[in-house]
Amino acid sequence: DGGITQSPKYLFRKEGQNVTLSCEQNLNHDAMYWYRQDPGQGLRLIYYSQIVNDFQKGDIAEGYSVSREKKESFPLTVTSAQKNPTAFYLCASTGTGTPYEQFFGPGTRLTVL
Amino acid sequence: SQQGEEDPQALSIQEGENATMNCSYKTSINNLQWYRQNSGRGLVHLILIRSNEREKHSGRLRVTLDTSKKSSSLLITASRAADTASYFCATDDKDSNYQLIWGAGTKLIIKP
Repeated sequence: DGGITQSPKYLFRKEGQNVTLSCEQNLNHDAMYWYRQDPGQGLRLIYYSQIVNDFQKGDIAEGYSVSREKKESFPLTVTSAQKNPTAFYLCASTGTGTPYEQFFGPGTRLTVL
Repeated sequence: SQQGEEDPQALSIQEGENATMNCSYKTSINNLQWYRQNSGRGLVHLILIRSNEREKHSGRLRVTLDTSKKSSSLLITASRAADTASYFCATDDKDSNYQLIWGAGTKLIIKP
């Protein structure tokens, strides 16, 4: 089955620690995205990548970092510089045939203790 | 940056009734999309309407787009308990290189 996987589903971290969220897709999509969702709000773009070894900052990139070494993988690191990291994080991808339709993973809920 | 705004923020109706949600946006767009999100899950694409289209249907879904008013509506007919979810509109800026801008969503509750 083609799709996007995110792991883990729930993640707890102590203040001051970096943590990496995994996102893997087997849809052969070129573009991948990371969003942050806070309760009662829409999605805010953190980073996106349209091709391997290239990525751009979104609206709220401060305190986050990404890499895109493989087409299938787009991990997100939440660094200790992110002041309010507790949120629901969603990864998405788009294919060249339907560049506007985004396919989403199940999300990772990060809680900072 | 937030562009879309859904209205209402929350909607509770009886099963079998129709549900209508609205979305307003600010800039010129190529397309407008609607997505559904079940609680604690990822989003699922429902329907895309292009800027030169006025109405589109998919099963029990009907979407309209009024580019002069920069607004769209999503109608779900004959609602079911399984339609309980949050619904988001997403627009692209014509110059955005396929990035989407999301509204805050409408939370729909279908009462059995």
